[in-house]
Amino acid sequence: TQLLEQSPQFLSIQEGENLTVYCNSSSVFSSLQWYRQEPGEGPVLLVTVVTGGEVKKLKRLTFQFGDARKDSSLHITAAQPGDTGLYLCAGPGIKTSYDKVIFGPGTSLSVIP
Amino acid sequence: SQTIHQWPATLVQPVGSPLSLECTVEGTSNPNLYWYRQAAGRGLQLLFYSVGIGQISSEVPQNLSASRPQDRQFILSSKKLLLSDSGFYLCAWRLSYEQYFGPGTRLTVT
Repeated sequence: TQLLEQSPQFLSIQEGENLTVYCNSSSVFSSLQWYRQEPGEGPVLLVTVVTGGEVKKLKRLTFQFGDARKDSSLHITAAQPGDTGLYLCAGPGIKTSYDKVIFGPGTSLSVIP
Repeated sequence: SQTIHQWPATLVQPVGSPLSLECTVEGTSNPNLYWYRQAAGRGLQLLFYSVGIGQISSEVPQNLSASRPQDRQFILSSKKLLLSDSGFYLCAWRLSYEQYFGPGTRLTVT
């Protein structure tokens, strides 16, 4: 069974601090996606990583896909209150479950001004 | 560009009443469509997905059902709501690896 785990579950930091959140699995994923969700809204896609070892940057956000494609990290530099939200990682199922999308439980981030 | 609509935005229903949530997608053809439920501050629970008209896969057997009467329409239903059906319901469509979500429906069962 493919599962994605995320850590930490909750994170509360001061504005300007740096942070890293993690997404891990014992299974290989062909790709991983990161989403951010604000309260009362649907998740919004941030990035897709496909190649093992890949690093993608989106302004102050840096995403990395592990070499073995079993894990990913999201690093935020100089966090701002607008970064507050639930960060979800997700990946496609394999073989006969390809049409399913596997989501992690999320990391809830609160950035305090 | 593609857009996804959900309605209603909020709903308060008594236990035992029926439910119908609707999702429509514009700007794409034959999308994979998904229904998720989310408890407060937590991850997404996949309820149903569909790869085509009339094709429904159920992930969580319970008192909910789904239908896809048209290519870009996905409906979530229940004949009798339970208190445990309360939550935030999200519809999504999929393009390649990525999913795109609607604004969600907040359902409170009283």
